[in-house]
Amino acid sequence: QSALTQPASVSGSPGQSITISCTGTSRDVGSYNLVSWYQRHPGKPPKLIIYEANRRPSGVSRRFSGSKTGNTASLTISGLQIEDEADYYCCSYAGGDILIFGGGTEVTVL
Amino acid sequence: QVQLQESGPGLVKPPQTLSLTCTVSGDSISSGNHYWSWIRQPAGKGPEYIGRIYVSGGPIYNPSLKSRVRMSIDTPNNQFSLRLSSLTAVDTAVYYCARGVHTYGRDLGLDYWGQGTLVTVSS
Repeated sequence: QSALTQPASVSGSPGQSITISCTGTSRDVGSYNLVSWYQRHPGKPPKLIIYEANRRPSGVSRRFSGSKTGNTASLTISGLQIEDEADYYCCSYAGGDILIFGGGTEVTVL
Repeated sequence: QVQLQESGPGLVKPPQTLSLTCTVSGDSISSGNHYWSWIRQPAGKGPEYIGRIYVSGGPIYNPSLKSRVRMSIDTPNNQFSLRLSSLTAVDTAVYYCARGVHTYGRDLGLDYWGQGTLVTVSS
């Protein structure tokens, strides 16, 4: 299985909204509503911010939202803040208890 | 507070075998609805899923690594382990252990991760 496709970088100004795409195939993203998103600050482990494509774990800001259409999932960060500057990774269930990750997107707050 | 901590060598010679252990605190490794995973991330690349293990049900490995990977679980010590054989430089990466959540056939993501440990494969 190939990695999910994400843009290498996305940027925005404070207060703006940005969207990160995550494109897979009919064998992974397209077949399951089991897409998760992770935020990783330098030197820290990844943090789960979205699961089941659009659900937020307890304690995660409502500024983070997820969606999925066909083979593409998306993460939107609204009201962009300085602390949102991080790497973001999508991950999809691919059947047989296998997960597949995206290559990651670096978010820069201008 | 659930915490996971990886331990193991930082430098391994090819073609030796890597052994890593993940110690879980704040949760019983036998608790329901959880599985225990290993993920690695080479520098500048996205994460790669290595596999998972259930307390009851055994391990599931990424097909791309299946011939070289073994995972085990040590419930009395609340630990799980990874062995990766025939190492080459391509296996150099930060290795993470993580707790996964599942329910009624739905995989709900990896909700707790260790800090990660850098493993360098070099002679």
